[in-house]
Amino acid sequence: EAQVTQNPRYLITVTGKKLTVTCSQNMNHEYMSWYRQDPGLGLRQIYYSMNVEVTDKGDVPEGYKVSRKEKRNFPLILESPSPNQTSLYFCASSLLSQYNEKLFFGSGTQLSVL
Amino acid sequence: AQKVTQAQTEISVVEKEDVTLDCVYETRDTTYYLFWYKQPPSGELVFLIRRNSFDEQNEISGRYSWNFQKSTSSFNFTITASQVVDSAVYFCALSEAGNAGNMLTFGGGTRLMVKP
Repeated sequence: EAQVTQNPRYLITVTGKKLTVTCSQNMNHEYMSWYRQDPGLGLRQIYYSMNVEVTDKGDVPEGYKVSRKEKRNFPLILESPSPNQTSLYFCASSLLSQYNEKLFFGSGTQLSVL
Repeated sequence: AQKVTQAQTEISVVEKEDVTLDCVYETRDTTYYLFWYKQPPSGELVFLIRRNSFDEQNEISGRYSWNFQKSTSSFNFTITASQVVDSAVYFCALSEAGNAGNMLTFGGGTRLMVKP
């Protein structure tokens, strides 16, 4: 089944403790991205990647890191989480074309930073 | 800069009523794409439709229909004969062609509650 898999689904941590949210897709998509969802703000893009070893900032990259060492994986790293990073996070992937293909989203990771 | 506005933050209807979710967008590009996604209580995002800026034909899919009007920069979504299973948050989103990041700009979402 074609899917984007994120782990964990729920995560509670404390300020300053490094964490990684994993994301993997099995559709051979070139493009992958991370979004965060906050009430009233919809989803905002954090980082994206157009291929292996190619990443760039989205709208709200501060406090986050990503890497794309393999085509299928795109982990999101919070080196020193803070309470304002409490949010619902989504990983997404798509084919890369000039036609802005639809994004396939993972199930989401609810992160709470205490 | 691109922007999407969903003015209705919450709508409550009774089952079998028709309901329209509004979406207004802003962009300077002549080529762009509009999307609707559904987020049921389980939290995942479900793709509903993608429309390019050159295709203004209205679309119908079962009980769902979409009205795209470039003149008013709107892409409204209507659910006919609503059902309890339609209860969800609905997001409208915009992506400009040639946007290197393929970034979707989302509206704030409309929470639809369908009561039995």
